[in-house]
Amino acid sequence: DADVTQTPRNRITKTGKRIMLECSQTKGHDRMYWYRQDPGLGLRLIYYSFDVKDINKGEISDGYSVSRQAQAKFSLSLESAIPNQTALYFCATSDFGQRQFFGPGTRLTVL
Amino acid sequence: GQQLNQSPQSMFIQEGEDVSMNCTSSSIFNTWLWYKQDPGEGPVLLIALYKAGELTSNGRLTAQFGITRKDSFLNISASIPSDVGIYFCAGQGPMTTDSWGKLQFGAGTQVVVTP
Repeated sequence: DADVTQTPRNRITKTGKRIMLECSQTKGHDRMYWYRQDPGLGLRLIYYSFDVKDINKGEISDGYSVSRQAQAKFSLSLESAIPNQTALYFCATSDFGQRQFFGPGTRLTVL
Repeated sequence: GQQLNQSPQSMFIQEGEDVSMNCTSSSIFNTWLWYKQDPGEGPVLLIALYKAGELTSNGRLTAQFGITRKDSFLNISASIPSDVGIYFCAGQGPMTTDSWGKLQFGAGTQVVVTP
């Protein structure tokens, strides 16, 4: 079984809709992250959380929000989706050696 | 924003050839990581480096933490078709409030292997 899972794997939605992407992990890590990947731009950090009561903005947090429901669960929301939020979204967890472990990704298309 | 320069952006190689790619940073890093991403999947950790000068292998892959702590290299020997994918470097800078617990990523090197 995968250590980091993401749902849904694919989602097509319309401009203005609210979308939630979910992430669960069984690695027992406290640290969790949400990234966005666009072609040629690598991975950009949206939000991160070092424990259940800790939420921090990354470099591109505008238009996104997150919720850390438990140590194992970290969800990303787009309150009102827009077309330039079309991208691949990855959740990751991290151990104290700074190694990050990624989920399989969610491909989001906003029409 | 991104401060890692990864090169080359892409490379087309023949099966059996060796591959080299590198990442450079404008600041000193304490940790260098190398990932591989297959199409439609998340990045998978290949090698982690923690000390300047460290040389670590994982099968046909070898990575080095540069002596200046501002660069890292990844080599793939005797490439095979399943080596195709995007390879990313990532690093963490000194333990400052801003960088603690976060990685910076390179833009990736696309590797294509032809028979």
